[in-house]
Amino acid sequence: DTGVSQNPRHKITKRGQNVTFRCDPISEHNRLYWYRQTLGQGPEFLTYFQNEAQLEKSRLLSDRFSAERPKGSFSTLEIQRTEQGDSAMYLCASSSEQGSNYGYTFGSGTRLTVV
Amino acid sequence: GQSLEQPSEVTAVEGAIVQINCTYQTSGFYGLSWYQQHDGGAPTFLSYNALDGLEETGRFSSFLSRSDSYGYLLLQELQMKDSASYFCAAGSGAGSYQLTFGKGTKLSVIP
Repeated sequence: DTGVSQNPRHKITKRGQNVTFRCDPISEHNRLYWYRQTLGQGPEFLTYFQNEAQLEKSRLLSDRFSAERPKGSFSTLEIQRTEQGDSAMYLCASSSEQGSNYGYTFGSGTRLTVV
Repeated sequence: GQSLEQPSEVTAVEGAIVQINCTYQTSGFYGLSWYQQHDGGAPTFLSYNALDGLEETGRFSSFLSRSDSYGYLLLQELQMKDSASYFCAAGSGAGSYQLTFGKGTKLSVIP
């Protein structure tokens, strides 16, 4: 069990550019979540997958954000036309159906800086 | 929607006991979780209360009172490594796996 892996760890991009982040969950976990965290705040829910199906999306997730989990394994989060307000830590988490309903394993995150 | 309130900072002495409170207002509620996050690190799951009462896991205990919309995390025998931010988080249930987090309590353990 190598935990939840996220790449890249850091990303600096110019405003208006597109960025894509990758998350590799724990292999036996069928549930995958994306959260966003800014300094001094708790994580904010963005979206949730069960296997390859995207079952929940936050109203925070504008049309510029899209997430996929094509084969029910790794997931990608893409942000198009980045804005300075998108600067944050993007956290991925996974869980299994058998575990505690809300006991997620988080990755170390991708820190996005939009300049 | 949901909102959770917790103190922004707490300071305690090594070896002591500290309690971090969390009150919540929710339109649906399906349990309270606690996470620890060290600076620059990932949130780490500590405990989950689905029912009223106390859950104990080693030096950490968590309590929930649904009637009071209140919970707390109790840390005993504090160690320097416990210095971190602690978040309470509420699940809304009803088929949703979305967690709403509080803003976090920064715990500083001093010698």
